Amino acid sequence: GAGVSQSPRYKVAKRGQDVALRCDPISGHVSLFWYQQALGQGPEFLTYFQNEAQLDKSGLPSDRFFAERPEGSVSTLKIQRTQQEDSAVYLCASSLNQANSPLHFGNGTRLTVT
Amino acid sequence: AQTVTQSQPEMSVQEAETVTLSCTYDTSESDYYLFWYKQPPSRQMILVIRQEAYKQQNATENRFSVNFQKAAKSFSLKISDSQLGDAAMYFCAYRSNSGGGADGLTFGKGTHLIIQP
Repeated sequence: GAGVSQSPRYKVAKRGQDVALRCDPISGHVSLFWYQQALGQGPEFLTYFQNEAQLDKSGLPSDRFFAERPEGSVSTLKIQRTQQEDSAVYLCASSLNQANSPLHFGNGTRLTVT
Repeated sequence: AQTVTQSQPEMSVQEAETVTLSCTYDTSESDYYLFWYKQPPSRQMILVIRQEAYKQQNATENRFSVNFQKAAKSFSLKISDSQLGDAAMYFCAYRSNSGGGADGLTFGKGTHLIIQP
C-alpha cells in the first residue's frame, strides 16, 4: 500500500474485554513501532520490532499488553482485560532500518474503554 | 533518557503572519536527529521538517524553517505566511542515532496551533 494502514479506526470496549489492533506497515519497511497517545499528550513509545523480532518492549505499561509481528510484516497489538486508563489513540509507524529514515505513521486506532 | 519539552500548550497567529513554536530537549548524546511533526484532526503524524544534529545549517522546507541551537539544546519551528491548513497539533521529537534505526522517537507534549482568518 501507499502508507501505513491501521484498523479499526475506532474501537469501543467494555472494561475487561480483550482487544486487538492491527497495523499494516509500508511494504519493505523493516522497523515497526507502536505508540500510545493519551488525550492532549504526545505519543509515548510502547514497543519496537525489527522484522519479526521484538527488540524493545520497554514501553508496554503492563503484562496485559502484548504485541506480535510473526511474519515481519503485519503487526497486532493486543490488550487483555482492558481498563479505562487504556483509553487512548494507538499509533503505528514503520521505517527502513536506518537511523536517518523517517518514521511513517498510520492514522491510529482510537480505543475507548467504558 | 532523553526528554523533549514544549512549553507552549497553545499558540494563535493571524493568517499570513509568522509564528514560532518552541522546543527544548535534554540529552547526553552528540549524534541525533530532531523533528517537527504535524498532527491534524485526522490523527496522522505528518513529518514537517528534520534536522541532523551534526549539521550546523538550519533546515528549511518551503514556509517552514528551524532555529537549531545545539549548545542550548533548543529547536524552534518558524512558520512563515501562516495558512489555515497549518492549524494542527505540532510535536517536536528526538531520535538517537546510536541504534542504527532501532531507536524510536521521543515526543514533546505538543503545541496546538490556531490560525485566525
